[in-house]
Amino acid sequence: KAGVTQTPRYLIKTRGQQVTLSCSPISGHRSVSWYQQTPGQGLQFLFEYFSETQRNKGNFPGRFSGRQFSNSRSEMNVSTLELGDSALYLCASSRGATGTGYDTIYFGEGSWLTVV
Amino acid sequence: AQKVTQAQTEISVVEKEDVTLDCVYETRDTTYYLFWYKQPPSGELVFLIRRNSFDEQNEISGRYSWNFQKSTSSFNFTITASQVVDSAVYFCALSGYNYGQNFVFGPGTRLSVLP
Repeated sequence: KAGVTQTPRYLIKTRGQQVTLSCSPISGHRSVSWYQQTPGQGLQFLFEYFSETQRNKGNFPGRFSGRQFSNSRSEMNVSTLELGDSALYLCASSRGATGTGYDTIYFGEGSWLTVV
Repeated sequence: AQKVTQAQTEISVVEKEDVTLDCVYETRDTTYYLFWYKQPPSGELVFLIRRNSFDEQNEISGRYSWNFQKSTSSFNFTITASQVVDSAVYFCALSGYNYGQNFVFGPGTRLSVLP
């Protein structure tokens, strides 16, 4: 079956601009989460959505936001981009069962964002 | 607070050698879950294994094996007879019950398998 699909794969933005990244989860998966990966901070959890509702949120400023649509597809948005937002943004999906012991998250290939 | 430590930043081995990647975790939860993911240069995190805190059985899958020891809070990963295709960054991750997809990842270990 198709995996988690993220678009775009690569993009370059200018400081101050905003960006929207898209994620299509594995068919049947209702939970989607986003992670930021940088060389300095590693993999950090941004937020998780389940049935169009934000279920968990990491420790990121309000410039980072997301949403989930009724078909489980998700988008994340970063406004007023800063140089430090340059990172690989990974989307993950799972069936969404409560208690991760009964669920495994699968990641997409990510969107490489460069802010100049 | 939860924390995952992977003390080995980079490891280089010659093909066919065995290699063990270390993972030490900290959590106050009594029920938790441990994971290993592989990240090749393409960027995608590939799921390798999930282990529940109440199941301390070691697991073997082909050339891969995992040793989970609650007494030392460790969840180590061994690759037997390594191959060049095993070259990647490997991440250990921890999640608590009902934490959803909020995983805490270790810093990763970059494994290079030389021909």
